[in-house]
Amino acid sequence: GEDVEQSLFLSVREGDSSVINCTYTDSSSTYLYWYKQEPGAGLQLLTYIFSNMDMKQDQRLTVLLNKKDKHLSLRIADTQTGDSAIYFCAEGDNTDKLIFGTGTRLQVFP
Amino acid sequence: DAGITQSPRYKITETGRQVTLMCHQTWSHSYMFWYRQDLGHGLRLIYYSAAADITDKGEVPDGYVVSRSKTENFPLTLESATRSQTSVYFCASSEQLAGAIYNEQFFGPGTRLTVL
Repeated sequence: GEDVEQSLFLSVREGDSSVINCTYTDSSSTYLYWYKQEPGAGLQLLTYIFSNMDMKQDQRLTVLLNKKDKHLSLRIADTQTGDSAIYFCAEGDNTDKLIFGTGTRLQVFP
Repeated sequence: DAGITQSPRYKITETGRQVTLMCHQTWSHSYMFWYRQDLGHGLRLIYYSAAADITDKGEVPDGYVVSRSKTENFPLTLESATRSQTSVYFCASSEQLAGAIYNEQFFGPGTRLTVL
């Protein structure tokens, strides 16, 4: 079956880089996503990567995809306190359904 | 208001009672989803709908009922609430656009439900 796993917590100092990791099992996934959930709010799409790409950069965000190992990571450069949130990776196929990971709570301390 | 809204935002109920959580979107998106969020489990899909009058089960449908008589509304009913249904519930919507390179789901603010 499909399963998406993430570590539950990550704590980083302000200004450092954060790396959030995700492993998935469905090799047919077409797109992989990162969503951000701020306290008391719903999820918002942060970035995504098509399955035939290895890397995508978007300002402070870098997404790396290793299809062979089914490993996805999100790197946030120069992490700020406003980046404190829960980050979910998700995999999708050609339907509109997504399988979400367990979420990683990122805490940024000064 | 434009967007996707959920009501109520907070609800406390008792075991055995029926509870309905409302979801409304103004974009006329075809797809709508209900998820529950629990620590250690992330988001799990309860039910989804591809269009009005079309619904299908997700990963954890037991104990829940949905309907979609209008495109913009997708209510979720707990027919006889149990303590294990204490959770935060999120509604989401999306549109399958021809040629789209990804399908973004738009989430409501969530409903925190406590079953005593």
